Amino acid sequence: NAGVTQTPKFQVLKTGQSMTLQCAQDMNHNSMYWYRQDPGMGLRLIYYSASEGTTDKGEVPNGYNVSRLNKREFSLRLESAAPSQTSVYFCASSEGPGRTEAFFGQGTRLTVV
Amino acid sequence: KNQVEQSPQSLIILEGKNCTLQCNYTVSPFSNLRWYKQDTGRGPVSLTIMTFSENTKSNGRYTATLDADTKQSSLHITASQLSDSASYICVVSALAGGFKTIFGAGTRLFVKA
Repeated sequence: NAGVTQTPKFQVLKTGQSMTLQCAQDMNHNSMYWYRQDPGMGLRLIYYSASEGTTDKGEVPNGYNVSRLNKREFSLRLESAAPSQTSVYFCASSEGPGRTEAFFGQGTRLTVV
Repeated sequence: KNQVEQSPQSLIILEGKNCTLQCNYTVSPFSNLRWYKQDTGRGPVSLTIMTFSENTKSNGRYTATLDADTKQSSLHITASQLSDSASYICVVSALAGGFKTIFGAGTRLFVKA
């Protein structure tokens, strides 16, 4: 049982480049989330998908897009990377939004130069 | 404004000693409060979850308390071990329509031999 798997673990991008962060969960969870974690700050929600077929903006959605490909997979795309997007990105999943335990992936450390 | 504040920011203790971490929140209307442990380079892992009616929840050497009237929670670690060195994150969810979960910035705990 792998839980939540994110790829890649590390990535360096040049300003203006695009990339997609992949996330998959094998717990049959309905809800999935993308967060970013910056030094000295709590995790901030970028986008979430309460259930398959739906996506909604979180606290900091600008510069990102998401796709809920199916119940297992939820990807995060940076169309034109900026240095301000240098961060650690976490994908998480839960049975339902907000009230149940969230399980997190290992994180993707992204540096934009 | 919904906020979760944790103190101290960091803490150093000797192996075998006890410690208590604090969390104050202004998230409303309250749904639940969770404590997560985040090891360096890893995603957060849930320790406890408490709803409005619960004031104490234990998980091994970890005991969380909740005072919903004063909007305060604490995480007490008993007989600390080197493996307890990590960040501890307080997370509060609101009952508001839609998804609203606020993460604290965390307390960084260092346990020294």
